[in-house]
Amino acid sequence: QITLKESGPTLVKPTQTLTLTCTFSGFSLSTSGVGVGWIRQPPGKALEWLALIYWDDDKRYSPSLKSRLTITKDTSKNQVVLTMTNMDPVDTATYYCAHRACSSTSCYLDYWGQGTLVTVSS
Amino acid sequence: QSALTQPASVSGSPGQSITISCTGTSSDVGGYNYVSWYQQHPGKAPKLMIYDVSNRPSGVSNRFSGSKSGNTASLTISGLQAEDEADYYCSSYTSSSFVVFGGGTKLTVL
Repeated sequence: QITLKESGPTLVKPTQTLTLTCTFSGFSLSTSGVGVGWIRQPPGKALEWLALIYWDDDKRYSPSLKSRLTITKDTSKNQVVLTMTNMDPVDTATYYCAHRACSSTSCYLDYWGQGTLVTVSS
Repeated sequence: QSALTQPASVSGSPGQSITISCTGTSSDVGGYNYVSWYQQHPGKAPKLMIYDVSNRPSGVSNRFSGSKSGNTASLTISGLQAEDEADYYCSSYTSSSFVVFGGGTKLTVL
């Protein structure tokens, strides 16, 4: 059974750096084809893809946020960490991590964490 | 990267069918079969409903189906039920090796 859970601060101040951890079980991030992604959702708004890390340590970032994001993995701890620098109130959102699976023809997010609400305010 | 275009809202009565469209470009929806659909109930995490344009994960009702024509993908829900009331998001891989979501559609079951 695959599960993921996000953890990190619920409140950060403007200009600070946010560090979120995704702790997962039921799969290994060293297995070929596997990935873990981060997605966020501002209150009342749409989902926004942030970053993805693959089993081979390849990384992909949202073009609009690339300069502020870093995604890393610790395979031994079954964790993926996302850092976002220079936080702003517009970054207030629920942040989700999700397991990326692939069929023979495409890839998709089949398991999601419960999400963690991060508020940016002074 | 622009979000995929979805109608803000759709509605239908129990038992009816509805279709939600998701329009992109040849650089995303039209160029790949990496279209997936997610259902999100209030306060809950998104749930995968369709992948590979038209495939259903195990456990998802066969009332949900997906298709694609050109740069537009569609999600159809037949035999609407009260529990289908939720937000729905499409997603696609892009030519820039990234993923983009749609703006979301709120489904109301009348």
